[in-house]
Amino acid sequence: AQSVTQPDIHITVSEGASLELRCNYSYGATPYLFWYVQSPGQGLQLLLKYFSGDTLVQGIKGFEAEFKRSQSSFNLRKPSVHWSDAAEYFCAVAGTALIFGKGTTLSVSS
Amino acid sequence: NAGVTQTPKFRVLKTGQSMTLLCAQDMNHEYMYWYRQDPGMGLRLIHYSVGEGTTAKGEVPDGYNVSRLKKQNFLLGLESAAPSQTSVYFCASSWTGGADTQYFGPGTRLTVL
Repeated sequence: AQSVTQPDIHITVSEGASLELRCNYSYGATPYLFWYVQSPGQGLQLLLKYFSGDTLVQGIKGFEAEFKRSQSSFNLRKPSVHWSDAAEYFCAVAGTALIFGKGTTLSVSS
Repeated sequence: NAGVTQTPKFRVLKTGQSMTLLCAQDMNHEYMYWYRQDPGMGLRLIHYSVGEGTTAKGEVPDGYNVSRLKKQNFLLGLESAAPSQTSVYFCASSWTGGADTQYFGPGTRLTVL
């Protein structure tokens, strides 16, 4: 069955530090992968998506993600975190609809 | 261009009451979805629609009904609300299914007492 695992429930990073949020997927064929961000009290906004081709995907707000088929991973990265990046982040794989991980809450300390 | 809108934003129900959540999109999307978000559970698909007049069950459909009488609207109904349906409900839409980008509404926070 298709599934997405986000191993980290909560991560705290210092402002200006680098960030990596982990995502592992289970999918039989070539997956279509997404990262969404949800700010407090808001809906979900698409950060980036991977369909095929280049395994390093650039998104909005300075985020990027790398698809690694051998590790079944699609980790999200940002070189320098800003306080406004504090939010909940969801990784998802496309099935009939989107199958979401349980999310990782990012806190940013000053 | 409002995108995806949801009505109402907040609602409190008593057990056994009924209500309908309305989702509207102005992007002429074929596909529409209802998800629920619970703490520590991520988003789970309740029902979805692949076009006007069609609906299908998702992962957690029990206790909910849906209708898509007009292409731009997708209604989610709770006939007899239960405390287990306390959640935040999100509607989304997309041109096609599966791999296409879904656009999300702002959510409806529902509390069932």
